[in-house]
Amino acid sequence: DTGVSQDPRHKITKRGQNVTFRCDPISEHNRLYWYRQTLGQGPEFLTYFQNEAQLEKSRLLSDRFSAERPKGSFSTLEIQRTEQGDSAMYLCASSADPGNIQYFGAGTRLSVL
Amino acid sequence: DQQVKQNSPSLSVQEGRISILNCDYTNSMFDYFLWYKKYPAEGPTFLISISSIKDKNEDGRFTVFLNKSAKHLSLHIVPSQPGDSAVYFCAARPYNTNAGKSTFGDGTTLTVKP
Repeated sequence: DTGVSQDPRHKITKRGQNVTFRCDPISEHNRLYWYRQTLGQGPEFLTYFQNEAQLEKSRLLSDRFSAERPKGSFSTLEIQRTEQGDSAMYLCASSADPGNIQYFGAGTRLSVL
Repeated sequence: DQQVKQNSPSLSVQEGRISILNCDYTNSMFDYFLWYKKYPAEGPTFLISISSIKDKNEDGRFTVFLNKSAKHLSLHIVPSQPGDSAVYFCAARPYNTNAGKSTFGDGTTLTVKP
């Protein structure tokens, strides 16, 4: 097990395009989290899953954002009609249960031109 | 309203000396606190944590102190090494929550000079 992996590592897109990111958590972890980090700030919570159920969404997650975790394994985060303000690092983390430590992936850096 | 604040964006110390990174929080519901370290091009890596029932937790060169009445915690690194140079994030959450999501500060960039 190599930890949490995210793909792609970098994504450059034009404003208005749709993008999709993938996260593969540590295999035995049932909880999966998405965070967004902009320059000079810490990670901000977006949403989380327990197995395949999406249990909480931040108000930061506008209706242009959608996340899924089919079969409770990998997760995807889609951003529709991207805007320049969506440019950020998107981090995925997983944990075995709520009390345990969250392990982060290296992130996907999105640049919207 | 930023609930977790790291007021020092950067800190520079000499190798072998002590590094002290500070963090303040405002949400009284927070009772579990974590420090993460982040190198460039990598995700944050868990370093050390403390629950509100303790005022100190130590792991090797790293010690976290919690002052609950002041809503303040600090991370001490002794002795500091050049490999400790990284961005350090303080994070907090209510311990007994279903979510387990953390609220992060904006980070302190530590530079340890040889």
